[in-house]
Amino acid sequence: EAGVVQSPRYKIIEKKQPVAFWCNPISGHNTLYWYRQNLGQGPELLIRYENEEAVDDSQLPKDRFSAERLKGVDSTLKIQPAELGDSAVYLCASSFSRLTSGDGQETQYFGPGTRLLVL
Amino acid sequence: ILNVEQSPQSLHVQEGDSTNFTCSFPSSNFYALHWYRWETAKSPEALFVMTLNGDEKKKGRISATLNTKEGYSYLYIKGSQPEDSATYLCAFNVYYKLSFGAGTTVTVRA
Repeated sequence: EAGVVQSPRYKIIEKKQPVAFWCNPISGHNTLYWYRQNLGQGPELLIRYENEEAVDDSQLPKDRFSAERLKGVDSTLKIQPAELGDSAVYLCASSFSRLTSGDGQETQYFGPGTRLLVL
Repeated sequence: ILNVEQSPQSLHVQEGDSTNFTCSFPSSNFYALHWYRWETAKSPEALFVMTLNGDEKKKGRISATLNTKEGYSYLYIKGSQPEDSATYLCAFNVYYKLSFGAGTTVTVRA
């Protein structure tokens, strides 16, 4: 079974430039997550999708970050414009959740991440 | 923001030795605790989901215990091997949200 796929794996951009990350979750997984890991810290949730609906985007900096999950499968996360402080690893994860009766304890499966460096 | 702490931040262990490290989390409103292993340039790999006080889980040479009343979990590696070198992350689960610790980076020396 293929795991969570992310691209690109590495990205170097200059500040104020836009950047986009792509994620393909495990087939059949209805819940998709984007996390950001800053150096020396644990990953922090940016946004969670149930199918195509963003159900928790409370931690997403909406002035410069946007995300979409068209058709409830692949997802893209965009930053425009990027700032120096956006340098981090961006992780995508997916899970199969019983949305009407689930408790959120399902294992989240992670991709390898995109390492972003903003100069 | 939930305070999840892991200690030590890093450790070095000789091949063949055993080691353990700690994850501390809020003891109130416990839901579940996840352990992940993250090797360099790879995806974080799920090790355990722990839900009940007193839980013990085992996978090969790696095992974990859970104390929800005092808010800690231990992860043990028995007979460390070079392939155990990784960052081990714990995450406190509240509904669908995982709050991660900063991880313990284990380096196994041959």
